[in-house]
Amino acid sequence: AQKVTQAQTEISVVEKEDVTLDCVYETRDTTYYLFWYKQPPSGELVFLIRRNSFDEQNEISGRYSWNFQKSTSSFNFTITASQVVDSAVYFCALSEASATSGTYKYIFGTGTRLKVLA
Amino acid sequence: DSGVTQTPKHLITATGQRVTLRCSPRSGDLSVYWYQQSLDQGLQFLIHYYNGEERAKGNILERFSAQQFPDLHSELNLSSLELGDSALYFCASSPGRGSAYNSPLHFGNGTRLTVT
Repeated sequence: AQKVTQAQTEISVVEKEDVTLDCVYETRDTTYYLFWYKQPPSGELVFLIRRNSFDEQNEISGRYSWNFQKSTSSFNFTITASQVVDSAVYFCALSEASATSGTYKYIFGTGTRLKVLA
Repeated sequence: DSGVTQTPKHLITATGQRVTLRCSPRSGDLSVYWYQQSLDQGLQFLIHYYNGEERAKGNILERFSAQQFPDLHSELNLSSLELGDSALYFCASSPGRGSAYNSPLHFGNGTRLTVT
């Protein structure tokens, strides 16, 4: 069955520390997409990045970077030099075609709460 | 701004009551997904509609129902409300099929339901 695991329930770091949020997924499909979302204390869900199963290149966007490794079924998210504004819940998600519905299923992990302390 | 509109933002009601949450997807998106997020919990998938048709059901209670209208907006109806139904309810949209396979879900800001 398809599954997304975020084993870290909560992480606390001091400002300027680097932090990595782990995401491990399970799927039987060869074509799928992975996403990260941020949910700040205000509550909205903000899309951060997507990655398809054929592109294992790491991506960097400012202080954010993502490491996708198919061999370990992981899609980890690193924040460099964390800031207080990074405090949020971060969700990893997997999408793949649904054989039954004919559209796409999105499976979310349980989220990791990141607290960045000043 | 994700382009997905949810109303109302907040809703306070009593146990046993019925409420309707509304969602307008992004322009051009045919798929609407509903999720429930209870306090400090993850996102629980409730139901998915595509172009007016129900496509998938998740952990949706029988007291809950949804529909998607011809103009593609969707409503989630919650009835016989219980205290445990208090949560943040999110609607998300995506294009649906075809080349939009890689499209992320775009979420509305949610409706915070409080049942007293």
